[in-house]
This record gives sequence, structure tokens and C-alpha cells, in this order.
Amino acid sequence: DGGITQSPKYLFRKEGQNVTLSCEQNLNHDAMYWYRQDPGQGLRLIYYSQIVNDFQKGDIAEGYSVSREKKESFPLTVTSAQKNPTAFYLCASSTQGPSGEQYFGPGTRLTVT
Amino acid sequence: RKEVEQDPGPFNVPEGATVAFNCTYSNSASQSFFWYRQDCRKEPKLLMSVYSSGNEDGRFTAQLNRASQYISLLIRDSKLSDSATYLCAATNAGNNRKLIWGLGTSLAVNP
Repeated sequence: DGGITQSPKYLFRKEGQNVTLSCEQNLNHDAMYWYRQDPGQGLRLIYYSQIVNDFQKGDIAEGYSVSREKKESFPLTVTSAQKNPTAFYLCASSTQGPSGEQYFGPGTRLTVT
Repeated sequence: RKEVEQDPGPFNVPEGATVAFNCTYSNSASQSFFWYRQDCRKEPKLLMSVYSSGNEDGRFTAQLNRASQYISLLIRDSKLSDSATYLCAATNAGNNRKLIWGLGTSLAVNP
């Protein structure tokens, strides 16, 4: 059963702690993405990766880091430098073809207090 | 002006109605367009892709008007289960790996 998985679904952390969100896909997609979604702000791109061992900053990369050591996996670390980390984090993937269609995982809802 | 703009709604329609949403985009070089459906507290799910003039899938029709730089989504015979937020996205000209997203249009279909 092909798809994108994100874990955990809900995550609670104290301010000042780094936290890593998991994203795995078995769709054999080359490109993967991380977005955050806040009420009233829509989807904002944090980082994306078009190929293993390569990634690019999106529009709001500050306070986040990623790695892409395997095609299937694209973990996101929310560091203590991120000023407003509480949000809904969505991972997506797409093929390298020209279509651009992106498919999303179920998301991780992070709350930092 | 936002790169991709949608009327936030909410649109409240009775079951069986036909409803249409528009989405305008500012970059004339955008090549591909998408409609996604997002239920409350869930991930967006791809509804339709639009690469040329339009696309149809059952009760859903998407049309692209390049001259006026908008895409539309028409839902016929609305069902209660169509209640959701509909997101519009356009590929970033010059880099089709990035999508530019609208804020979404909220639809409530009432019995």
C-alpha cells in the first residue's frame, strides 16, 4: 500500500528543545517537501529536496533543518531557534516529471509550550 | 497582490446545488495548476490537475483561462461530503518543483 507516513500525529515539546519530525514515502518519488500550515496563512514551504543528498531552503527555513540521506526519508528538525514552532507540519512528495503534482502525508501537529 | 488568490468564502449551498470557485494567479509563466481538497485538521488531497484548458472528473470540472489568468472549479450536484476547504495551487514559473498556494475557499453544503 503506497503512501507517505508521518509520525507522530501529535507532538508536545517544551520551549528550548529540538524536535525531529519523521516523513517516509514508498511511492518512489524523487522530490520531497516540508510545509507548515497556520490558521489563516495557508501552506508555507520550509524545505524541499529534489534528489538524495540535496535540499533547498523554502520560504521560511529559518529555525529548521533537514537531511535527505535516503530517497524514502526526509526528516525535519525544528530547532530551538524557531520562534513560533507550534503549527501543523505537512510532508509531501512528487515525481521528478513536469507535472508537479504533490501528495501529502497525514501531518504532525506540534505544540511547543 | 498575492501570487495565487482565492475567495475565502465561506460558500454555503444546499445539497444538489452547483457551486463554482475561482482562483487567480499573477505569474503568466505558471504551467500547471491544481485543486486540492482539505478537510478540517487533515492533509490536502489532490482533487484535479489542470495542464491545458481544463479537466473533468465526474461532478467536478476545472477550467483554465490563461488570458485572464484564473482557474475555476465547478462542483455539480453538491453532496454533504463535499464540505471542505478547496486549495488552489500553481507551479512556480521556472521551477515546477515548487507550488504557490492559495489560502483556500471554504465550502459548506447544507441539508
